Amino acid sequence: NAGVTQTPKFQVLKTGQSMTLQCAQDMNHEYMSWYRQDPGMGLRLIHYSVGAGITDQGEVPNGYNVSRSTTEDFPLRLLSAAPSQTSVYFCASSQIGGARAFFGQGTRLTVV
Amino acid sequence: DAKTTQPPSMDCAEGRAANLPCNHSTISGNEYVYWYRQIHSQGPQYIIHGLKNNETNEMASLIITEDRKSSTLILPHATLRDTAVYYCIVRSTGANSKLTFGKGITLSVRP
Repeated sequence: NAGVTQTPKFQVLKTGQSMTLQCAQDMNHEYMSWYRQDPGMGLRLIHYSVGAGITDQGEVPNGYNVSRSTTEDFPLRLLSAAPSQTSVYFCASSQIGGARAFFGQGTRLTVV
Repeated sequence: DAKTTQPPSMDCAEGRAANLPCNHSTISGNEYVYWYRQIHSQGPQYIIHGLKNNETNEMASLIITEDRKSSTLILPHATLRDTAVYYCIVRSTGANSKLTFGKGITLSVRP
């Protein structure tokens, strides 16, 4: 019963490097989303998806790309990392219109 | 989705009830009130949700006023492990409805 799994848990990048944050869920949820959380702030929505092949932008999408080729996976790509992207990233999944969202344990990203 | 207003912080004594308030005066008829909490930078955890009736589960009770403009999350016997940031969120159940977090309320449970 894994729920939502995020990898890696920690990552340090140099400015300009690219990387992909992985998110996988085993609950057959249609809705998946990515958030970032900066110190002292609430979570801000980056991108979300309502099903395979369908993605849309959230509140802070700039600098991030997503795709959804399967129901289970929703990777978040940083094409050219910037120090402003230093943050904790959370992935979440839920049923469409469902009551509760399940969150991963987060990826702590530092861009130097 | 309607916005919510929560005080920034509150505390309570261990073993006592913690009553966390939330205002959502612009809530519309098809929007639910959800509560999540986040313990020490872990991923947020669902607590409870409701539309207009009071709800109770193993974690907490949710009391929604009759006009639905405010609600209270009640932790009946707070423990030190309940120290966390609690988020009150209003959300419809439409396919594209987003879960939007504010700053939440920081609950500190003191021994």
